[in-house]
Amino acid sequence: AQTVTQSQPEMSVQEAETVTLSCTYDTSESDYYLFWYKQPPSRQMILVIRQEAYKQQNATENRFSVNFQKAAKSFSLKISDSQLGDAAMYFCAYRSARGEKTSYDKVIFGPGTSLSVIP
Amino acid sequence: EAQVTQNPRYLITVTGKKLTVTCSQNMNHEYMSWYRQDPGLGLRQIYYSMNVEVTDKGDVPEGYKVSRKEKRNFPLILESPSPNQTSLYFCASSVTAISGANVLTFGAGSRLTVL
Repeated sequence: AQTVTQSQPEMSVQEAETVTLSCTYDTSESDYYLFWYKQPPSRQMILVIRQEAYKQQNATENRFSVNFQKAAKSFSLKISDSQLGDAAMYFCAYRSARGEKTSYDKVIFGPGTSLSVIP
Repeated sequence: EAQVTQNPRYLITVTGKKLTVTCSQNMNHEYMSWYRQDPGLGLRQIYYSMNVEVTDKGDVPEGYKVSRKEKRNFPLILESPSPNQTSLYFCASSVTAISGANVLTFGAGSRLTVL
């Protein structure tokens, strides 16, 4: 079974600085997708970024980028020029690609990292 | 507006009193799923549905029931709630379950407290 680990329960960053959130996962599959979701105090789950495992190029969305190391099974999120609105809980998630029903029907979430932004 | 709607958003109930949390999506999504969020554990899947009349257990199904009689609706039923079901619940949907590329769209969450 797949697992997702986020080893940093809490992190903080100064406004305008850069911070990296860590995520590692365990899987025997070769084709899958990885996601970062943001959960602000409103509790709404918001997609931040998505990475396809078959793509070597790291995904980027404005100030958010990932460092995807497939061999190491690592998927870290870098937030540049941190803003007060970035303060939230961040969840790393894994989902299988096409395959047997029991492979892709689940999205596995990590325990989350709570990010504080210091003015 | 494309969205997943959950109700109620907040609920306090007592042990053993049956309750239903409704979930509805207006995007014609095939795949729907329920998660519970607990501190330090992230989101854990309770049940999911690949399409109408097709449902299956997730990782923590005990004490919950679901049904999928219509494509847009996927209610979560707690037949006899217990205090360990106190949690934040999320409903989510995606276009299909066939491709893992499909991103989940989440509801706003339902905070349930069982006394």
